[in-house]
Amino acid sequence: ILNVEQSPQSLHVQEGDSTNFTCSFPSSNFYALHWYRWETAKSPEALFVMTLNGDEKKKGRISATLNTKEGYSYLYIKGSQPEDSATYLCLGPGETSGSRLTFGEGTQLTVNP
Amino acid sequence: GAGVSQSPSNKVTEKGKDVELRCDPISGHTALYWYRQSLGQGLEFLIYFQGNSAPDKSGLPSDRFSAERTGGSVSTLTIQRTQQEDSAVYLCASSLVGTGLNQPQHFGDGTRLSIL
Repeated sequence: ILNVEQSPQSLHVQEGDSTNFTCSFPSSNFYALHWYRWETAKSPEALFVMTLNGDEKKKGRISATLNTKEGYSYLYIKGSQPEDSATYLCLGPGETSGSRLTFGEGTQLTVNP
Repeated sequence: GAGVSQSPSNKVTEKGKDVELRCDPISGHTALYWYRQSLGQGLEFLIYFQGNSAPDKSGLPSDRFSAERTGGSVSTLTIQRTQQEDSAVYLCASSLVGTGLNQPQHFGDGTRLSIL
């Protein structure tokens, strides 16, 4: 992996479902990994910043884990609600971005009532 | 407190005109970033400022794009001789500078630029 990659690209779930998605990044030269939520017609909002291998962060029903050795982070949403519908962006290290972090393409989540 | 402020919120201009976009970061934030999102695309990095200097301007798509920051605060992104492919939402973000890029970025509401 040369750059930050997110999967899946989009996801549709029913209200009440739990879901998770992935951010993958080159495991060499790790600095930090950020997760952002970007709702339609709003600006991106920071959810978590993680810096240590094994980090786990939680905010309400949303949590994230980090594995810097294998180069991935998972974002989990428990009991999805329609207001969770948004694009979730990962900001992490890329091989081609030097010391700067780079955004993945995002996972677009739609929660149907 | 005040967040990141961008102006104008919308700009419609004719192809070939110059435009200036403004970003007023959160007070005390020394790092400032410009991104853009073209239709159907993700966030594209344009330029990063640390104080008044730009250590990374690798994302500027052509020499028609330039940016400056004065007084370690307000930044302007200038696009000369605009083209239709410049149409996008231009987002500005600022952050404190922590160790190892561990400070979250705070985003403005963006400027929606439309080139006719």
